[in-house]
Amino acid sequence: RKEVEQDPGPFNVPEGATVAFNCTYSNSASQSFFWYRQDCRKEPKLLMSVYSSGNEDGRFTAQLNRASQYISLLIRDSKLSDSATYLCVVNPSTDSWGKLQFGAGTQVVVTP
Amino acid sequence: GAVVSQHPSWVICKSGTSVKIECRSLDFQATTMFWYRQFPKQSLMLMATSNEGSKATYEQGVEKDKFLINHASLTLSTLTVTSAHPEDSSFYICSASKGARGQPQHFGDGTRLSIL
Repeated sequence: RKEVEQDPGPFNVPEGATVAFNCTYSNSASQSFFWYRQDCRKEPKLLMSVYSSGNEDGRFTAQLNRASQYISLLIRDSKLSDSATYLCVVNPSTDSWGKLQFGAGTQVVVTP
Repeated sequence: GAVVSQHPSWVICKSGTSVKIECRSLDFQATTMFWYRQFPKQSLMLMATSNEGSKATYEQGVEKDKFLINHASLTLSTLTVTSAHPEDSSFYICSASKGARGQPQHFGDGTRLSIL
């Protein structure tokens, strides 16, 4: 089983619609969680950290479910510029600072 | 703005050439940096942890004699791919964290290495 699993997609989303997708992680002791976006042939860029209580940043909402070991990302009012691959990133424990575990990414394609 | 700078962004060279990639932290000191490799449609794979003033820690299966890492200062780590071959062609990315444990990593622009 992979350490971090994501639905690869693609999720084809009409502009203005809402899209949501999950990521599951295997290590129940994981400490911190992030969503990054990666555009084609570019480096990952931090989208948002994911907090236990859930958090929102503009049109983006992230949730963490420790019991079921998944995090989710919801994008409201999708824009064409939201088209990218979204990487779920997990820091498995405080003893492995920076040794992040990456999902393979979920591709989102927003269409006009 | 960018907090981690990587150079060069694209390299095309002949088989057998050694290629050096630089990773710099901008306006902060990074005692630890990380080097990743990413093949098309795959997730980032950690290659090694670069430690300022000491030897790098390599992940299992990564040849330390092939991928030389030097972290000579608090703002610069270099990765040298020695005697590169076509199978080394990949997207190499470095990262560093500005803060304490658990803080997000910031990635360099990445270096696309193509070996002919």
